[in-house]
Amino acid sequence: DAGVTQSPTHLIKTRGQQVTLRCSPISGHKSVSWYQQVLGQGPQFIFQYYEKEERGRGNFPDRFSARQFPNYSSELNVNALLLGDSALYLCASSTRTGVGETQYFGPGTRLLVL
Amino acid sequence: SQQGEEDPQALSIQEGENATMNCSYKTSINNLQWYRQNSGRGLVHLILIRSNEREKHSGRLRVTLDTSKKSSSLLITASRAADTASYFCATDAWETSGSRLTFGEGTQLTVNP
Repeated sequence: DAGVTQSPTHLIKTRGQQVTLRCSPISGHKSVSWYQQVLGQGPQFIFQYYEKEERGRGNFPDRFSARQFPNYSSELNVNALLLGDSALYLCASSTRTGVGETQYFGPGTRLLVL
Repeated sequence: SQQGEEDPQALSIQEGENATMNCSYKTSINNLQWYRQNSGRGLVHLILIRSNEREKHSGRLRVTLDTSKKSSSLLITASRAADTASYFCATDAWETSGSRLTFGEGTQLTVNP
C-alpha cells in the first residue's frame, strides 16, 4: 500500500503570496494532521481533521487554513506568506483520532518564502 | 511551544556503540512516542510507550518512561551507520476534540562507520 503522499515536494513563493499544499492519506485512514517544521526544530502541530471536521488547531494565525475532502485527502492553505513561513510542512494520517493512534507521516513539502 | 527537550542536542558515536537519547516533558501525558527523521524528510514512527508502562523494547530499541520525573530515554544498541538521523520524542495528550503530537527539539545522531 502507498504511504502518505504530499505535493508538491518543493515550492518557492514570495512574500504576500498564497500557497496550497496537498496531502493524500494512507488508504483507510480518516484522520489527517498538519505540522510545520522550521529548520533545526521539532514539528509543530497546525491542524487535525477527522471525517472532514476540524478536530484541533495549533497556535497558528488565521492565515493558515485547511480542509478535508470526502476522499479524506486534505489541503493546507497559507495566505499572505511571510518569510517566517519557510519550513517543511508535514502531513500525517491515522486511522482515527484519539490518543495512542500511530501517525504516519508523508515526506513533506519544503516551502521557501523569499 | 515545544513540550519536550531532548538531550543531548547532538551525539556522535562509532558503529557498534550504544546511543542514548533523553527527553523531558512538562505536562501530563497519555503516551510518549519516538520518531526518526532522515535528512529533513518525513518522520518514521519507532515506538510508543503508554503512561502506565515503564519500559518497552522493539528490536535494537529500548525506551524507558519515568512519569514522576517527566522523562524518557531511547537506547539504540549496536548502532549502525544507517541509524544516522534526527530523533524526536513526542507526547500525546487528549484534547477536548482530538489529539495532537507535541514534539521536542530533537537529537541529531551521527554514527560513524
